[in-house]
Amino acid sequence: GEDVEQSLFLSVREGDSSVINCTYTDSSSTYLYWYKQEPGAGLQLLTYIFSNMDMKQDQRLTVLLNKKDKHLSLRIADTQTGDSAIYFCAESPILTGGGNKLTFGTGTQLKVEL
Amino acid sequence: KAGVTQTPRYLIKTRGQQVTLSCSPISGHRSVSWYQQTPGQGLQFLFEYFSETQRNKGNFPGRFSGRQFSNSRSEMNVSTLELGDSALYLCASSLNSGGTEAFFGQGTRLTVV
Repeated sequence: GEDVEQSLFLSVREGDSSVINCTYTDSSSTYLYWYKQEPGAGLQLLTYIFSNMDMKQDQRLTVLLNKKDKHLSLRIADTQTGDSAIYFCAESPILTGGGNKLTFGTGTQLKVEL
Repeated sequence: KAGVTQTPRYLIKTRGQQVTLSCSPISGHRSVSWYQQTPGQGLQFLFEYFSETQRNKGNFPGRFSGRQFSNSRSEMNVSTLELGDSALYLCASSLNSGGTEAFFGQGTRLTVV
């Protein structure tokens, strides 16, 4: 079955880059997502990458995928206090019968200090 | 374009009661998935509905059920509520079933007392 792991906490200074890491186990083709959750809110989709890609960049966000090690990272450039939140990595395998089923990691609490 | 709308936002129920939560997906989206978020278990997949049919189901007891209407709106029902059902229930809307972006609503916070 699918399993997604993340470290629990990350603390960075404002203006620095943040790198949040995730490992997954599914060996089939899959979509990999990054979501952000602020206190009391739902999940905000930040970006996603298909498992045949190596990298995707979107403004301050860069996603890197190491397919061999099944390792995914999210880099946030010039981290701001508004980036403080929990970040979830999720995978969604391409199911034979179709369907959307996300398996989430435990989430990484990002704290941005002044 | 309106986002995913979940109602109600907050709910308090007593053990043994049943509850119905509602989700209106983004206009044009046909897939609705439900997730439960708790501090202990994290985010767990409940089920997905596409074109009024359940496509996938997670490992939850039969007390958890759902349905989807012809306008793609979905409801989930939990019967015989237990204290452990207290959670944030999140609904995700996708254009199609499989390999597409999933957009989440704000969730319904259910407290069982």
